[in-house]
Order: sequence, then C-alpha cells, then structure tokens
Amino acid sequence: DTEVTQTPKHLVMGMTNKKSLKCEQHMGHRAMYWYKQKAKKPPELMFVYSYEKLSINESVPSRFSPECPNSSLLNLHLHALQPEDSALYLCASSQVGAGEQYFGPGTRLTVT
Amino acid sequence: EDKVVQSPLSLVVHEGDTVTLNCSYEVTNFRSLLWYKQEKKAPTFLFMLTSSGIEKKSGRLSSILDKKELFSILNITATQTGDSAVYLCAPFSSGSARQLTFGSGTQLTVLP
Repeated sequence: DTEVTQTPKHLVMGMTNKKSLKCEQHMGHRAMYWYKQKAKKPPELMFVYSYEKLSINESVPSRFSPECPNSSLLNLHLHALQPEDSALYLCASSQVGAGEQYFGPGTRLTVT
Repeated sequence: EDKVVQSPLSLVVHEGDTVTLNCSYEVTNFRSLLWYKQEKKAPTFLFMLTSSGIEKKSGRLSSILDKKELFSILNITATQTGDSAVYLCAPFSSGSARQLTFGSGTQLTVLP
C-alpha cells in the first residue's frame, strides 16, 4: 500500500471556527509532514514528525496545531484562521531520514 | 540560505517533442535530489538521484545529477498531453534539517 489519504478533500471555514485535517498512511513510515501550497507556488514545509515527535516547526503561527497520535496518523488542528491561510494542505510520509516522500491528495481549505 | 532554481518557468510544446527541464541548487548538507510531477493535486514521485552522472530512466522520462556543478536535468521524450503538469525539483538535506526544499517548478503544457 503506497497511499497517503487525507480528509476532508475540501473544507470551508469561518475565521472563528475550529476544524481538523486528517492524514493517514499504512506504509510503515515513521516520518510525516505537513505542507502548505498556495496557487502556482511550490509546497512549503510546515511541520515534520519523526517517530511521533515534532522535529521541525517552520515558524508556523500557533493557529495551526499539529498532532501525531500514532505512527499512522497525523492531524492538523485549525483555529482562528485568516483568509490568507486559504491553500492546499498536503500531508506526506517517508522513512525517517529518507528523501523520498509520498504525498496525499491534499485538503483544499478556504477561510471566509 | 538554501536556494533552488528551476528553468524554464513554463514551457509549451506539441505532442512528440522532447523537453529538457533544468534545476540548479545550493543547499547545505545535500544528500539527494528528487523530481516530482504535480497535476491538479498531490505531487507524485518520479526520481531520486544521489550519485553524479548516473542516468535514471522510467519510460520516456530520464534524469541525471551533476553534484559538482549543482544541477540536475529532467528529460521527457516523445511528449504526450498527459505529461502536462508542473515538474518540481527538490534537493533533500540530511542532518538536523532533514527536509526537501522545493523549487518553484516548471509548468509544462503539451498541446495535441
């Protein structure tokens, strides 16, 4: 199984809402990533988890809160977002220390 | 600061043409270079290159890395409309900052 799944596919939320994005992989990978991608731009790294521990936080605002409940799951909790946070949010996984990352289909987030 | 430059930014060709996409990079703790293809959603993995001068091939796609000159090229022969996508180059860094740094991508459009 070489698939990373993400839910929901689309999400529209107001600036006062709280929502969560979910990511799941069953490839036995112990590194998982959140990226943000704006239109016509490359993915930008937000967070990296290695062995379920947060190892990289690329100075992401606290309104984004990641969580890795187990080795297969990665969540991104959203609260009090701004319209400029509207983007495609991509999850990826890999072996720890390996460059080859497998991406999920993404969640298209719109903040109104 | 790590830097990845892809050229051209966009390219329009006709089916059957051959294209060469370029990627130059300057990253600390370079370990490997990856190419991804991104259509509407998730980037899909194409190649990972770790050694200079060794061409990797997959069907009509091939890629090579020059670690001395810090660049890589991706060739696509006999292009098809299904090759239309953004092609992303991403050097992978090891050490404490184990991550991919994506270039801005080349938008390839193949016309019938």
